[in-house]
Amino acid sequence: EIVMTQSPATLSVSPGERATLSCRASESISSNLAWYQQKPGQAPRLLIYDASTRATGVPARFSGSRSGTEFTLTISSLQSEDFAVYYCQQYKNWPPIFTFGPGTKVDIK
Amino acid sequence: QVQLVQSGAEVKKPGASVKISCKASGDSFTTYFMHWVRQAPGQGLEWMGVINPSGGSTTYAQSFQGGLTMTSDMSTSTLYMELRSLRSEDTAVYYCVRVNVRGAFEIWGQGTMVTVSS
Repeated sequence: EIVMTQSPATLSVSPGERATLSCRASESISSNLAWYQQKPGQAPRLLIYDASTRATGVPARFSGSRSGTEFTLTISSLQSEDFAVYYCQQYKNWPPIFTFGPGTKVDIK
Repeated sequence: QVQLVQSGAEVKKPGASVKISCKASGDSFTTYFMHWVRQAPGQGLEWMGVINPSGGSTTYAQSFQGGLTMTSDMSTSTLYMELRSLRSEDTAVYYCVRVNVRGAFEIWGQGTMVTVSS
């Protein structure tokens, strides 16, 4: 079973600063990696899929990258609305097991 | 743009079953696979299983095998998720989700809170 890990668990950032979130897969998942943003009381929102493709309507300050089994979500200049929990997820599709990471909470420094 | 509207909150006793609905509108119901994801209070996201609305084939996460049934009704564009033998640990918000063409979880329902308590 593929295990997804995320670091750090909590990231404290000042508005306007850059935030870098990490996600690691326990085995190769190619680029089948998505990032989601979740705010309190809301459903998650798809931000990035295929490791680096922004979903429709997602601001350009969000970007994703991949190096082997290491994935990074970068928020170039944090806005107030970006303080949330971010989850990574693998969707390798076969076998059909879709694993989420434990999440990184981005809060205000 | 597809929208997913789920049924309302449920309160169940331990050992009971719950069945949640998820109605799709605005797009072809059978085009993409649909998933269910749950989130216990203050916890992360847990994938439960996937259904192909066209045909009804399913795959469930191992931790739900035997206690979970996902079905679809193409005539009403509605998905159903039934969880049996409920325990307090099943207290969570349950989401239905539609994937995009690449398999990422693109469209989420609003969530249904299920509380299991004696």
